[in-house]
Amino acid sequence: QSALTQPASVSESPGQSITISCTGTSSDVGYYNLVSWYQQHPGKAPQLIIYEVNKRPSGVSNHFSGSKSGNTASLTISGLQGEDEADYYCCSYAGSSNLVFGGGTKLAVL
Amino acid sequence: EVQLVESGGGLVQPGRSLRLSCAASGFTFDDYAIHWVRQGPGKGLEWVSGISWDSATIGYADSVKGRFTISRDNDKNSVYLQMNSLRAEDTALYYCTKGYCSSTNCYTYFDYWGQGTLVTVSS
Repeated sequence: QSALTQPASVSESPGQSITISCTGTSSDVGYYNLVSWYQQHPGKAPQLIIYEVNKRPSGVSNHFSGSKSGNTASLTISGLQGEDEADYYCCSYAGSSNLVFGGGTKLAVL
Repeated sequence: EVQLVESGGGLVQPGRSLRLSCAASGFTFDDYAIHWVRQGPGKGLEWVSGISWDSATIGYADSVKGRFTISRDNDKNSVYLQMNSLRAEDTALYYCTKGYCSSTNCYTYFDYWGQGTLVTVSS
């Protein structure tokens, strides 16, 4: 169970789009379509924004979208807003009832 | 309103034990998996353990396997995490999280989180 690999930080201007990658292995991200993404603002609990690679829970903005290719999952945020500035974490099922998170990506909206 | 309230954290010496509790309300408790996720100071999220609605499915992170035990009491709407042989690297805020049901499973995602209980392992 090694942590999934995410870039430590990314930045982009308001109104632009950004994609955050999440790289795992053929035993987790690459094998299961059970990838989720969480947004965490400072001092707050995380919020589920994407599940099952590309599905959004009710109430989550459609400017969040997810995808997967091989061992890498991606979160795309379009039309960036200041409120999108947060930490983002991917998570994947890894078999045998185990889950694994990515190290997290800090998004700055400049 | 869904509520998850963790308790049982505190300062403990290395090698000692601690038992965390998570009291749930606002949903049909025995329909959902519950997980523990921790976050070290200034660090990222780490999945610790999860238990399905009927306790038939239980998982542990490699970092805690053999030391931590998760259990639930559906009559008391509660989940527990027994933590033995604690180490300095177990120091973290421990969140209790409710499983989110997709069309295919109810184990692998989390939609509600408690505020966390802080565990500090230090001599």
